[in-house]
Amino acid sequence: GQNIDQPTEMTATEGAIVQINCTYQTSGFNGLFWYQQHAGEAPTFLSYNVLDGLEEKGRFSSFLSRSKGYSYLLLKELQMKDSASYLCVLRDTGFQKLVFGTGTRLLVSP
Amino acid sequence: NAGVTQTPKFRVLKTGQSMTLLCAQDMNHEYMYWYRQDPGMGLRLIHYSVGEGTTAKGEVPDGYNVSRLKKQNFLLGLESAAPSQTSVYFCASSQRSPSNQPQHFGDGTRLSIL
Repeated sequence: GQNIDQPTEMTATEGAIVQINCTYQTSGFNGLFWYQQHAGEAPTFLSYNVLDGLEEKGRFSSFLSRSKGYSYLLLKELQMKDSASYLCVLRDTGFQKLVFGTGTRLLVSP
Repeated sequence: NAGVTQTPKFRVLKTGQSMTLLCAQDMNHEYMYWYRQDPGMGLRLIHYSVGEGTTAKGEVPDGYNVSRLKKQNFLLGLESAAPSQTSVYFCASSQRSPSNQPQHFGDGTRLSIL
């Protein structure tokens, strides 16, 4: 089976940097996604890691350590619009089935 | 540039009623999925399809049926709605390959069963 653990809620200030951690246990690893979901809206794709290391995309970066079962999403230069839930998502082996964490709700204040 | 479109967006049903949720995608994706999202829980896979005419059960399939008669459409049916099926339902689609292709989600259907 698979298990994903991420903090329920985090707060940060506009312009700051925040790191959202995700730890996981899985019998078969085939990649890890991060999605953003604003309240009442659909999840949207942010990043994908399958190898160890850092992937950078503008203000967002995602890191993966397969040996530690650990990933984080780093958000820089926070903006008010970054207030949303951030979903850590495992990809199952053999097929594109995804296992979703419960999400971390990020509140960005002025 | 529609992407994934779900209809209806909102619906209220009485216990025992039936309904069908429609998902349409215009990206020529092979794979399609139905999820439900409940408070305090991650999205859970109900059913999925790897191509036209094929469907398979996901994590929480009981009480739901699906059909994929056309590649672009994936229907989710509730034969006899129950209050436990009150949820937000998301449809998603993805390409078959390469493996790093993300799933693209519709805007969701908010369903309440009284």
